[in-house]
Amino acid sequence: NAGVTQTPKFQVLKTGQSMTLQCAQDMNHNSMYWYRQDPGMGLRLIYYSASEGTTDKGEVPNGYNVSRLNKREFSLRLESAAPSQTSVYFCASSTNSYEQYFGPGTRLTVT
Amino acid sequence: QKEVEQNSGPLSVPEGAIASLNCTYSDRGSQSFFWYRQYSGKSPELIMSIYSNGDKEDGRFTAQLNKASQYVSLLIRDSQPSDSATYLCAVNRISSGSARQLTFGSGTQLTVLP
Repeated sequence: NAGVTQTPKFQVLKTGQSMTLQCAQDMNHNSMYWYRQDPGMGLRLIYYSASEGTTDKGEVPNGYNVSRLNKREFSLRLESAAPSQTSVYFCASSTNSYEQYFGPGTRLTVT
Repeated sequence: QKEVEQNSGPLSVPEGAIASLNCTYSDRGSQSFFWYRQYSGKSPELIMSIYSNGDKEDGRFTAQLNKASQYVSLLIRDSQPSDSATYLCAVNRISSGSARQLTFGSGTQLTVLP
């Protein structure tokens, strides 16, 4: 039982490049989330998926897109990376009781 | 007013002392409250959840909830250097329905001095 996994762990992009961050959970959770964490800003919700087949914008969705591929997998895509997207990205999944469990994170640098 | 507020710290306590971390929230209808621990460079780890007024104990950790005053706290007894981390308070966002969203505070950095 791996919990929540994320790939890659680290990534460096040039401005304008695109990439997809992958997330998978093996806990049979319905809800999944993408956050970014910046110094002094706390965790900010980018997108979430309440259940398979649904996605919605969170607090800071601009510049990102998501896909809920199936119940296990939820990916985050940066179409044209900008330096402002340099951050640590966390995926999480949730039980019906609001408890969220986080993946190990992806450290992204955009130069 | 932020939805979930925590003192950013840093909070320093000597080894063996009690560390007290506080959190206030603005949504009076919130029902679910969580404490996460985040070591430097790592992801948040759920350590306590509390849903009812009063105290909930788990080992050296005690979560306290007072819905009338809209605060939740975390006490760490017999603090150890390994408890040095940032502690995040999280509260359910009642408007999020089936999405089960949480609102996180910005965290309190705790240092336990040997």
